[in-house]
Formats: sequence, structure tokens, C-alpha cells
Amino acid sequence: AQSVTQLDSQVPVFEEAPVELRCNYSSSVSVYLFWYVQYPNQGLQLLLKYLSGSTLVKGINGFEAEFNKSQTSFHLRKPSVHISDTAEYFCAVSRGSNYKLTFGKGTLLTVNP
Amino acid sequence: DAGVIQSPRHEVTEMGQEVTLRCKPISGHNSLFWYRQTMMRGLELLIYFNNNVPIDDSGMPEDRFSAKMPNASFSTLKIQPSEPRDSAVYFCASSQPAGANTEAFFGQGTRLTVV
Repeated sequence: AQSVTQLDSQVPVFEEAPVELRCNYSSSVSVYLFWYVQYPNQGLQLLLKYLSGSTLVKGINGFEAEFNKSQTSFHLRKPSVHISDTAEYFCAVSRGSNYKLTFGKGTLLTVNP
Repeated sequence: DAGVIQSPRHEVTEMGQEVTLRCKPISGHNSLFWYRQTMMRGLELLIYFNNNVPIDDSGMPEDRFSAKMPNASFSTLKIQPSEPRDSAVYFCASSQPAGANTEAFFGQGTRLTVV
């Protein structure tokens, strides 16, 4: 069985500040890791993914995440956020393309001017 | 490609009525997933199909829910009879056969309100 824990349900930050959204997972098998973003009244859009190789993964909109196997974490970071980054962010794990995604509860990032 | 297409975008129905949600996956994708999103429970997988065959339906809440995938380009999720607690946003997603692009692509969702 797989599970994902997003430690913060809400993260308020000021514009141009750095941000880290935390994600921990548990799984008995190797997994692929994902971060999705959901803007209001929209579907989910992939930000980035870790499949294998380099543990630092870069995604769209200036986001990056680091896979840490020993800590079973996959935290999302951005050095300087914009108002437009206000959205809900979901961490997810999967065993592969034809397997289901298991999502965390989500973190609402609010960027204030 | 137009992406995953869901219809309708919004549905308001009365308790006890039958509701059918529709999904057209991305062409060439062989896995299809139905998720439900609520404030209380977050994103829950209801059921998923590989090559049109249901693989895991353990997330389907009860017998009132059923899903079909008659061919590679169409799936339905039906609720009969509907209840107010079924109010949620229902997402359909699809993914390619195993390979480098392993992510699921999501539709815009159907917001269901049962009154």
C-alpha cells in the first residue's frame, strides 16, 4: 500500500519570498513521485515528476523538487513566488504509468502582495 | 490533442435521479482513471481501467456507483440513485502505456451538485 502525507494544509507567503511545500510518502515498492497544481475551478496540471536518476527535478513555472529516499520525502520548492502561483498543490505517488495515483490531501499556497 | 474531455462541466440534479458523467481520454492512452474530489476527503480514486478492463474498483463507494469503458475512447460513471453526499467534483484522467511519460493527464472535471 502507498500513502502520501502533505504536512501543511495551508501555506501563506508574500510575493517574491521563497516557499517549500512538504511531502512525505510511504510505500513497500519503488514509486514514481509527482507534484500537480490545481488552479481554482480547473483540473490538475503536472508540475514535475521523479522517475529515476537525478534526485533534483525541475518543473514548470520555476518549481523544483528533491527526492530523498532515506527520508522518503519529495518537497517542492520555488525561490521566489508570484501572485499567480496561488493554487492548491498535490503530491502523488504511483507504481507506474498504468497504475493509480495516490494523492496527498493538498497544500493551499496563497501568495500575498 | 484536445486533452481529456469531460462532460458535462456542471450538473445539478435532484436526489434520487440518475446521473451519468462522461469522459473521452487522450487518443493512444490505455489507462483511464475516475477520481472524486471533496473538501473532506480530498482526491479519491474511484476506479481505473487498463485497456478498457476495470483493474481496481475498490474505491467505488457503493452499488449506486457504476463505471463502464465500452471502448478505448469513451467511459462513463453513473450514479443511480444520486444522493446529496455524492456532491463533489469528479475528474477523469488518462495515461499512456508504460514508458517515459508516466504521468496522468486530467480533464477539467464535472462539478456535481445533488439537491
